[in-house]
Amino acid sequence: NAGVTQTPKFQVLKTGQSMTLQCAQDMNHEYMSWYRQDPGMGLRLIHYSVGAGITDQGEVPNGYNVSRSTTEDFPLRLLSAAPSQTSVYFCASSYSGWQNNQPQHFGDGTRLSIL
Amino acid sequence: GQQVMQIPQYQHVQEGEDFTTYCNSSTTLSNIQWYKQRPGGHPVFLIQLVKSGEVKKQKRLTFQFGEAKKNSSLHITATQTTDVGTYFCAGPRAGGTSYGKLTFGQGTILTVHP
Repeated sequence: NAGVTQTPKFQVLKTGQSMTLQCAQDMNHEYMSWYRQDPGMGLRLIHYSVGAGITDQGEVPNGYNVSRSTTEDFPLRLLSAAPSQTSVYFCASSYSGWQNNQPQHFGDGTRLSIL
Repeated sequence: GQQVMQIPQYQHVQEGEDFTTYCNSSTTLSNIQWYKQRPGGHPVFLIQLVKSGEVKKQKRLTFQFGEAKKNSSLHITATQTTDVGTYFCAGPRAGGTSYGKLTFGQGTILTVHP
């Protein structure tokens, strides 16, 4: 099983550029989410989705957009990259919808640097 | 908003010593989940606790969920070098309008000296 697949694994951008981080899961999970991980800050929720067509903001949504047109895919868009968005980004999925009481399955992460 | 705090932030132990990390939430949690992240890797689910006062064991790891469902702990007995990594707790807020949001603690980074 592929599980949760994130692409790319590494990316360097210039300030002001836009890009999309891809996330796909093949487990038919309803719940998908994006986190960023910074030293000493743990995992902070950016956006999440409880099913196709439904998205909502997490703790740190500014500067990011998401959409959920299919159950499998949950791309994260950086609209105009800023150095403060340098981070490791993780996508996660799980079976549960709003109850969120199932284990999260994480992708391998995307290491993003903004110059 | 909901906050989940973990202490300590760092813990250095000699192999064979015990280790404990504590997790405290500002709100009541419907469940608590624990994850381990190896250096350079991604978080991997360890266990979930649901009931007030629940205790679960996985070999040398003991997990507890507080009576008020606002705190939790992870205890490792006789650490090994394979225990190295960052341990996170995470929980969704019980009720309210925060459903769907899983809040993670900052994590405890464990190093084990052989």
